[in-house]
Amino acid sequence: SQQGEEDPQALSIQEGENATMNCSYKTSINNLQWYRQNSGRGLVHLILIRSNEREKHSGRLRVTLDTSKKSSSLLITASRAADTASYFCATAHDMGRRALTFGSGTRLQVQP
Amino acid sequence: NAGVMQNPRHLVRRRGQEARLRCSPMKGHSHVYWYRQLPEEGLKFMVYLQKENIIDESGMPKERFSAEFPKEGPSILRIQQVVRGDSAAYFCASSPGQADYGYTFGSGTRLTVV
Repeated sequence: SQQGEEDPQALSIQEGENATMNCSYKTSINNLQWYRQNSGRGLVHLILIRSNEREKHSGRLRVTLDTSKKSSSLLITASRAADTASYFCATAHDMGRRALTFGSGTRLQVQP
Repeated sequence: NAGVMQNPRHLVRRRGQEARLRCSPMKGHSHVYWYRQLPEEGLKFMVYLQKENIIDESGMPKERFSAEFPKEGPSILRIQQVVRGDSAAYFCASSPGQADYGYTFGSGTRLTVV
């Protein structure tokens, strides 16, 4: 089964509003990453947060990580129509040489 | 820096044929990962390779699928005797190391089996 599960599966908001997406995972991690995918395109890396970090910012993005609850959230502030995409969390295991495990994604629609 | 290059972008194969998907990682990246994505779904891990070595192939079907990353040239994902269920988008990603690095993804190869 997928390591990360995003919530909600789909989100529709108006331009200018904030969008919050959540991710839960099951095992211990080294880091957690968020990616964006526009329809029909490859994924683009947005931000990486390490297991010893609790919050990280990058432009309009804010990511939190709660390792005790095995959960993370991605906040996009002042959303734009161009933010319309699918957003995926991905977890890096803390043991062994393993590739990232991706969740099922949140489809964000920002209405202009 | 051209990024991760995948080709072809679209590939149509008849049932029973072979599909070869190519991936050239970003310059300086020695770790390559292959993922499969069905419409409206997330990415499912297939295989993780370094030059001339398969590190983790736990996501690869036991039959018909193979992958390589030779000393020279691109990484190849090979699917023999394709079936309709193999139709999907196949994404390749690369990274310079294994820990604490984000992945750079290619644009994918969309395989359609008819």
